[in-house]
Amino acid sequence: LAKTTQPISMDSYEGQEVNITCSHNNIATNDYITWYQQFPSQGPRFIIQGYKTKVTNEVASLFIPADRKSSTLSLPRVSLSDTAVYYCLVGELGGATNKLIFGTGTLLAVQP
Amino acid sequence: ETGVTQTPRHLVMGMTNKKSLKCEQHLGHNAMYWYKQSAKKPLELMFVYSLEERVENNSVPSRFSPECPNSSHLFLHLHTLQPEDSALYLCASSQGISGQGFQYFGAGTRLSVL
Repeated sequence: LAKTTQPISMDSYEGQEVNITCSHNNIATNDYITWYQQFPSQGPRFIIQGYKTKVTNEVASLFIPADRKSSTLSLPRVSLSDTAVYYCLVGELGGATNKLIFGTGTLLAVQP
Repeated sequence: ETGVTQTPRHLVMGMTNKKSLKCEQHLGHNAMYWYKQSAKKPLELMFVYSLEERVENNSVPSRFSPECPNSSHLFLHLHTLQPEDSALYLCASSQGISGQGFQYFGAGTRLSVL
């Protein structure tokens, strides 16, 4: 199982770009990298997923280097509503042999 | 609204009660999951159902009993729970359980066991 390591918390101000890096040294060939966002007392919400290089959607960008041993979630111009816990997951979706493990995540606090 | 609906949103029960949590997904997915999230702890995967068959049971105590009558509905039957079972119980669904893809989560049921 690919274990992930990400910072416990980060602080930012409104309007700034935030980059959260996740380390996953044991990533397997078939593993995808997925990021979720969770607000208090709500279920996690999918943000972005990638396999290699760069992926961008309307919410965020995901940068993955060639060795895939880490990934960086980039949130452009954060607002107060982006304050949440962000989880990095590595693996195949669900399944009996490949379990997606949610770690402790990164608590992002955005201040005015 | 994610397309995954959980009821009730809040539940308080005594240790001798029997209750059930319900999850319904309107996304046409064929896999459903139960997770437990205790205070300040990571999400713990409890059960995985694929095509209405249970494919994962992460050593969950027998006082938690899942049921998946069809691909759109998932239940978690609770009986003789302990106070340490108080947590946020989350349901999720996905299309398939392998390869690329991601899960859609419900808002959860906040369970308090007295």
